[in-house]
Amino acid sequence: DAGVIQSPRHEVTEMGQEVTLRCKPISGHNSLFWYRQTMMRGLELLIYFNNNVPIDDSGMPEDRFSAKMPNASFSTLKIQPSEPRDSAVYFCASTFGLARGDTQYFGPGTRLTVL
Amino acid sequence: QQQVKQSPQSLIVQKGGIPIINCAYENTAFDYFPWYQQFPGKGPALLIAIRPDVSEKKEGRFTISFNKSAKQFSLHIMDSQPGDSATYFCAAVKGGATNKLIFGTGTLLAVQP
Repeated sequence: DAGVIQSPRHEVTEMGQEVTLRCKPISGHNSLFWYRQTMMRGLELLIYFNNNVPIDDSGMPEDRFSAKMPNASFSTLKIQPSEPRDSAVYFCASTFGLARGDTQYFGPGTRLTVL
Repeated sequence: QQQVKQSPQSLIVQKGGIPIINCAYENTAFDYFPWYQQFPGKGPALLIAIRPDVSEKKEGRFTISFNKSAKQFSLHIMDSQPGDSATYFCAAVKGGATNKLIFGTGTLLAVQP
């Protein structure tokens, strides 16, 4: 299996622009997580889905952030409008289920820079 | 408020040494404690995990020690190698069907040859 696939790997944009990050989970996994990693705040869970349904979006920082999972093999995280403080590495992870022993497999991340 | 506190922030050891990374938590609802390893430019990857009904778990050179009464757990890396140089994150998960990872702040480990 190719693992979790994220695109783009790097994104540089200007403040105010819309940014869309993409994730393809491992085939057969039914849960998907979006994380943000910064030096200041570490790894933070933004939102997660189970069977394509958002379960917990309490980590989404504000209304500028939105996430969708239209089908089992694709998810997007959108930031509109983007701000310099959104600069971070965004990770997507997938897992077979929501039991606490189910390993989360992380993608390689998207490094976002907002100028 | 940091729900999982991790220390030290960084650690340098010589090859063959035994680095120890410590984590502490307050919420007794946590009942699963994984450790993740992250290399530069990569996503975190599960290294080893423990449930609170055991005090120690070993997988190869990696050992988790767990002290339920103190609400503390630690990662020991035996016979450390330069290839172990990475950032290590402890995490905690609450009971129930959530699998929601709460990460510690991370420890940057450098193993010198």
